[in-house]
Amino acid sequence: AQKVTQAQTEISVVEKEDVTLDCVYETRDTTYYLFWYKQPPSGELVFLIRRNSFDEQNEISGRYSWNFQKSTSSFNFTITASQVVDSAVYFCALSEARWNNNDMRFGAGTRLTVKP
Amino acid sequence: DGGITQSPKYLFRKEGQNVTLSCEQNLNHDAMYWYRQDPGQGLRLIYYSQIVNDFQKGDIAEGYSVSREKKESFPLTVTSAQKNPTAFYLCASSILRGDYGYTFGSGTRLTVV
Repeated sequence: AQKVTQAQTEISVVEKEDVTLDCVYETRDTTYYLFWYKQPPSGELVFLIRRNSFDEQNEISGRYSWNFQKSTSSFNFTITASQVVDSAVYFCALSEARWNNNDMRFGAGTRLTVKP
Repeated sequence: DGGITQSPKYLFRKEGQNVTLSCEQNLNHDAMYWYRQDPGQGLRLIYYSQIVNDFQKGDIAEGYSVSREKKESFPLTVTSAQKNPTAFYLCASSILRGDYGYTFGSGTRLTVV
């Protein structure tokens, strides 16, 4: 069965610092999808990125970047020059490729606090 | 705009009472999910439904019940059998494909008084 581990429960940084959130996953499938979600204090989970298992190219979107490494089963998320608005809980998730099913497994989440 | 609507945003319940949390989506998604989140904790799956008139238990279904009479609606009832119902409840929906992420509602915060 698939599993997602986010070992960092809480991280605290000062504004403008770079921070990396770790995500390690387990799956027996060769085709799967990895996701990151952001949960701000308002509570709603907001989709950030999806990556499929065949695409190991790293992705950058503004101050956000994602490093996908199949060799270590990791999908880490880096925020460059962090800002107070980045304070949130971040969830990594894994979904195996299925038709007529979508069973997404979430990590426990990492609470990021960015101090001014 | 399409999305998921959860109501109410805050709910207070007396001990021994049943309460129902509403979740409505207009995204035409087949699947809907209920999660519970406790302070400082991750998401735990309560129930999910992939088709109308059918639903499955998740990891922590005891003390909860659901129905799926319409594709758009998936209400969750927190019964008096749920010993510690104070938590944040999130509803989500998706199409039935693994590459499709979940869309989440804004949540309901339930407090037992």
